[in-house]
Amino acid sequence: DVKVTQSSRYLVKRTGEKVFLECVQDMDHENMFWYRQDPGLGLRLIYFSYDVKMKEKGDIPEGYSVSREKKERFSLILESASTNQTSMYLCASSSSGSGNTIYFGEGSWLTVV
Amino acid sequence: EDQVTQSPEALRLQEGESSSLNCSYTVSGLRGLFWYRQDPGKGPEFLFTLYSAGEEKEKERLKATLTKKESFLHITAPKPEDSATYLCAVRGGSTLGRLYFGRGTQLTVWP
Repeated sequence: DVKVTQSSRYLVKRTGEKVFLECVQDMDHENMFWYRQDPGLGLRLIYFSYDVKMKEKGDIPEGYSVSREKKERFSLILESASTNQTSMYLCASSSSGSGNTIYFGEGSWLTVV
Repeated sequence: EDQVTQSPEALRLQEGESSSLNCSYTVSGLRGLFWYRQDPGKGPEFLFTLYSAGEEKEKERLKATLTKKESFLHITAPKPEDSATYLCAVRGGSTLGRLYFGRGTQLTVWP
């Protein structure tokens, strides 16, 4: 089975803190994604990566950055957390074929106070 | 721009009462339409992928169908454990593998 693991399920951070959300996949997938999910807004793509050290902006990249130094690991970074970044963050991965399925992790609930 | 619209936003069914969820899409060069199930507080769980009009896939009480403009998720004789949010997503021809998601249909099945 595909396994996408997000290291933290629940986090509480203070405004202005630097926050790291880590994600690891065990299926040697080329593509990795970070989404955030908010009530009424659905899933919105923050960043994605189709190869090591490569990244592409999604629909809402402002206030976020990402790092992909190894194929299996994709990190989301909030340089200076703000209360409007309180949300559920979902990591996902897929292989590079055009029709291939994206598999999701369990999510990380981030609260910024 | 690729777009996905799901309806209804919420659906309440009595156990055993069959119904359908709709996913309308606009995409350039469809490379797959995906259905996911999401339970509260958890990540989306993959259900089906459909690639071409006329294609159908089934899993237990669920059947997904696809036309050139929309997909339906048919739920036959649902049970309370089918209660969840069902998400539809599409991948277009020039999107580097990313998916565009609808906002989901929240299904509640009561005994």
